[in-house]
Amino acid sequence: DTAVSQTPKYLVTQMGNDKSIKCEQNLGHDTMYWYKQDSKKFLKIMFSYNNKELIINETVPNRFSPKSPDKAHLNLHINSLELGDSAVYFCASSQQGQPQHFGDGTRLSIL
Amino acid sequence: SQKIEQNSEALNIQEGKTATLTCNYTNYSPAYLQWYRQDPGRGPVFLLLIRENEKEKRKERLKVTFDTTLKQSLFHITASQPADSATYLCALDPNAGNMLTFGGGTRLMVKP
Repeated sequence: DTAVSQTPKYLVTQMGNDKSIKCEQNLGHDTMYWYKQDSKKFLKIMFSYNNKELIINETVPNRFSPKSPDKAHLNLHINSLELGDSAVYFCASSQQGQPQHFGDGTRLSIL
Repeated sequence: SQKIEQNSEALNIQEGKTATLTCNYTNYSPAYLQWYRQDPGRGPVFLLLIRENEKEKRKERLKVTFDTTLKQSLFHITASQPADSATYLCALDPNAGNMLTFGGGTRLMVKP
């Protein structure tokens, strides 16, 4: 069973479109995250979320928004996509203070 | 400003040797430091966590040291194998609260 799963694995779309990436974890963790890994392979935290608190990295544009329908899911919505949004997006989960478990990423390409 | 630096050049070593990777940081006082492995096309996989009051941690062929005075962590793989070839990422957690900041990673190539 996959612990942290993301869909889709690849996403190719036009500039200006709105898209979503889904993430589900079956580990019973209380905290989920979204990261962006750019072409230089730097992995940067975008959001940290549990049922009590959303922490947003201040550098993330407000076109990006996480939405959590329940504890096991944290989806990433992106509005008005720009060329610079092309990257690999990783979802992760953990218990508070514990190591994180990552999904295998969604490669987003903006045409 | 806060910085985490890992050697961006690939590290090439012969099978059986010990690989040593470095993670240096500035303007941080991390509570935890973690090491992850990332294979191409995959997400990072957790390897080891070391706390600020710990000097060394071991797990099988892996060893991590943490020197808060030097602001440096060293990651060692002994008796390296070609299967150890991957990118290794260090990550700092300033307050044990999970908002990790990652270094840029070091690619390790172990040749048979």
